[in-house]
Amino acid sequence: DQQVKQNSPSLSVQEGRISILNCDYTNSMFDYFLWYKKYPAEGPTFLISISSIKDKNEDGRFTVFLNKSAKHLSLHIVPSQPGDSAVYFCAATEYGNKLVFGAGTILRVKS
Amino acid sequence: DAGVTQSPTHLIKTRGQQVTLRCSPKSGHDTVSWYQQALGQGPQFIFQYYEEEERQRGNFPDRFSGHQFPNYSSELNVNALLLGDSALYLCASSPLPGPSSYNEQFFGPGTRLTVL
Repeated sequence: DQQVKQNSPSLSVQEGRISILNCDYTNSMFDYFLWYKKYPAEGPTFLISISSIKDKNEDGRFTVFLNKSAKHLSLHIVPSQPGDSAVYFCAATEYGNKLVFGAGTILRVKS
Repeated sequence: DAGVTQSPTHLIKTRGQQVTLRCSPKSGHDTVSWYQQALGQGPQFIFQYYEEEERQRGNFPDRFSGHQFPNYSSELNVNALLLGDSALYLCASSPLPGPSSYNEQFFGPGTRLTVL
């Protein structure tokens, strides 16, 4: 049972444009959502998070939007930079317990 | 601060063997979680340790066991290895979350296990 889904295995974006990564979830008990970024040969690095009581959280070039009614969240990166090229994982948790991850989206930012 | 460290970096074993992976948490963290990341998939939760006790467990067989030491470091043991156990094993540390709060988990670089 895949509770967190990232339906786009990969995304290619031109440098300077917006990158939008999407994530859907099924468990309505999730109360915290996170995005992690992973480079090859490194562990996932925390990027940005959002509590279920909010619908938007912004940190510099990164913004996460949460639509609870649709059980959907998205990560916007503006402007995209070549150094953003990595695998992005969406994750969710219920009251600080285990993280449930999606399968990841490979982002390629072309210069 | 060295962050989360894991050893070894890579490991090759044969079917039926046993393996032990090690993790040192980030300074100040008392909770350690282990994840398995198969190729092309996201990390899957194996279990979490706090105060030397298994606090939660994911959907993994009893062949997967763990231990946490008084200094908060942790080991993951896998017995009777199967080809399907080949994966990247990630350790993450955090402070123990409160009842309605979340503490960010910091991940180590992982141990790449290959079972032949």
